[in-house]
Amino acid sequence: AQKITQTQPGMFVQEKEAVTLDCTYDTSDQSYGLFWYKQPSSGEMIFLIYQGSYDEQNATEGRYSLNFQKARKSANLVISASQLGDSAMYFCAMREGLQGNTGFQKLVFGTGTRLLVSP
Amino acid sequence: GAVVSQHPSWVICKSGTSVKIECRSLDFQATTMFWYRQFPKQSLMLMATSNEGSKATYEQGVEKDKFLINHASLTLSTLTVTSAHPEDSSFYICSATSSGRAREQFFGPGTRLTVL
Repeated sequence: AQKITQTQPGMFVQEKEAVTLDCTYDTSDQSYGLFWYKQPSSGEMIFLIYQGSYDEQNATEGRYSLNFQKARKSANLVISASQLGDSAMYFCAMREGLQGNTGFQKLVFGTGTRLLVSP
Repeated sequence: GAVVSQHPSWVICKSGTSVKIECRSLDFQATTMFWYRQFPKQSLMLMATSNEGSKATYEQGVEKDKFLINHASLTLSTLTVTSAHPEDSSFYICSATSSGRAREQFFGPGTRLTVL
């Protein structure tokens, strides 16, 4: 079974509009972390936002917010006021394991969503 | 802070040759580094995890004798693709983390390998 599912291969949005990129996950761990990364055409992975499974508040970072619905196992990324520079691939990823330990658990990535922002 | 570099950014080689890719953490000590491979229009697939001073842990299906990983210091890990073939052509990305910042992985800019 897929650990991370991104059902939208591509999304279009007009500049200045908000857009939601879907992500659902599958884990039996109680403690895990969810990440969103942006990958522009140049290839580098840019960290956007992080949500811990025990975090009670939805994470926000500037124009990015994470709509975390634990019972539904979803962690959708909301980008407000889209900009042309937001056009890129967006990957949702999950890290399983204890949040408090010093060892790092590997990330599992979804298949990504290509976002295109039009003027 | 937390900058990771990769060298080279792109490389073209002949089939049968070996290619070494370097991953460096520039401003922090990376206790763990990860190597990913990404085929065009696909997701990142973890190849291996390396901890400084110990042998890398390879993911299922990744040939350890073909993809040699060395993590000799806290700031450098290398991936050597031995006897490269055209099917090894891909985008290789490393990431690094430190014990003090366990929730974050810092990614390098990637290396595009083309094997002719």
